[in-house]
Amino acid sequence: SQQGEEDPQALSIQEGENATMNCSYKTSINNLQWYRQNSGRGLVHLILIRSNEREKHSGRLRVTLDTSKKSSSLLITASRAADTASYFCATDPNAGGTSYGKLTFGQGTILTVHP
Amino acid sequence: KAGVTQTPRYLIKTRGQQVTLSCSPISGHRSVSWYQQTPGQGLQFLFEYFSETQRNKGNFPGRFSGRQFSNSRSEMNVSTLELGDSALYLCASSFQGFANTGELFFGEGSRLTVL
Repeated sequence: SQQGEEDPQALSIQEGENATMNCSYKTSINNLQWYRQNSGRGLVHLILIRSNEREKHSGRLRVTLDTSKKSSSLLITASRAADTASYFCATDPNAGGTSYGKLTFGQGTILTVHP
Repeated sequence: KAGVTQTPRYLIKTRGQQVTLSCSPISGHRSVSWYQQTPGQGLQFLFEYFSETQRNKGNFPGRFSGRQFSNSRSEMNVSTLELGDSALYLCASSFQGFANTGELFFGEGSRLTVL
């Protein structure tokens, strides 16, 4: 089963608008990551935020982390048609520091940006 | 630097057959993880190898196995294929040998269809 749950499951917006996706998780974590996947292809790492960080920026991306609520959000500003993809949050659980390559992924948010 | 390379990209097998998938990590990366992605279960961790040793394993039956060679290339094998094994199999590499999991670099995946 997936630890992370993301909402919305699907998001449709116009170019230039902002897109916000949310992720909730269940156990304590070392870090939380966001990945993008274009249809049927590999995942691309977007950003990593550590458990002691609250906010992080990378270009048009802004990620927040609230460990007390076990939740994170990904904001994409000024969306472009090329941002159309599935977005996944993934957590590295704090299980004695032995995740060894195992990230727990959410079910993902399908983002469609209309030109 | 070349990315993670997975072969074959597409393959079709019949029930009962076995399949071997290959993954060449980014040069210098010694950790290789495998994930299965299906519409129903999402992304699920299979196993992780580092320096030819399996350090972590997900909840998959023994029909799923893997190995890593001295050059860090990895293979995974699925024996006695079942219809439910139809999936996108993703390989990811990372440099770190740490226990925590940081950024993963994914290949484009091998899409397996079992008939």
